[in-house]
Amino acid sequence: EPEVTQTPSHQVTQMGQEVILRCVPISNHLYFYWYRQILGQKVEFLVSFYNNEISEKSEIFDDQFSVERPDGSNFTLKIRSTKLEDSAMYFCASSGETGASYNEQFFGPGTRLTVL
Amino acid sequence: AQSVTQLDSHVSVSEGTPVLLRCNYSSSYSPSLFWYVQHPNKGLQLLLKYTSAATLVKGINGFEAEFKKSETSFHLTKPSAHMSDAAEYFCVVSLNDYKLSFGAGTTVTVRA
Repeated sequence: EPEVTQTPSHQVTQMGQEVILRCVPISNHLYFYWYRQILGQKVEFLVSFYNNEISEKSEIFDDQFSVERPDGSNFTLKIRSTKLEDSAMYFCASSGETGASYNEQFFGPGTRLTVL
Repeated sequence: AQSVTQLDSHVSVSEGTPVLLRCNYSSSYSPSLFWYVQHPNKGLQLLLKYTSAATLVKGINGFEAEFKKSETSFHLTKPSAHMSDAAEYFCVVSLNDYKLSFGAGTTVTVRA
C-alpha cells in the first residue's frame, strides 16, 4: 500500500540554524501539505501546495518558512533560522487529484524537530 | 469559522467493552468530517469520513460514527475494544479544499 514517508524521524538543531524536513508523498498525488503539532497542543495546518505554488498558508507560515518540490518525488519544508518555539512534530500529507474537501489526506509518520 | 471540539482528553476502557469518543463540531454549513487515528510512532491514519452521503459512517477496524446535525455531533464508537485500539484519536473538519482543522485529540487506553 502506498504511503507518505518523511525523513529524518528526529532532527535536533541549534537555534538560528536552518533545517530542511523532507517528505516523499504518494506518487500520483498532486496536493501536498505540512502540518505541525507542538507538544501538548493541537495539530495545526501550515501550508498547502499544488502545481508548484502555495495554495494556502496559515499565519504561522511566515517568511522563515518555505516549501519546495525540487524534483518529481520530494516535498520539503525549510525553516531558515530556527527558534525554540519551532520545536514540534511536523507532518507531511498528500491527497489525490481533485483536492476536494472530502478527499482523504494521507499523512506521513512525522519528523520530530527539537531546537536547542 | 468551522471547528471541532473533542470532549474527552483521555478514555480508558476494558478489552471487549464499547468505546465512545465524543466530538462536537461548529459549522455554518454541512461540514466534511473525519476521524483519524495515530498509533505510537506511526502516521495519522484515516478511520472514516462523513461527506453528507449517509449519516452513519462505517470505517476500518470496526469503528463507526454518526453525524447528528441536531446535536452538532460526530461521535466515534466501536462495540468491542481490542488492545490494538490503544492510540490517539483525532476528530477533524475540512475547512476548505486545502486545510484540515484538528481537535485536541483523545488518548484511548485499553485495559486487559
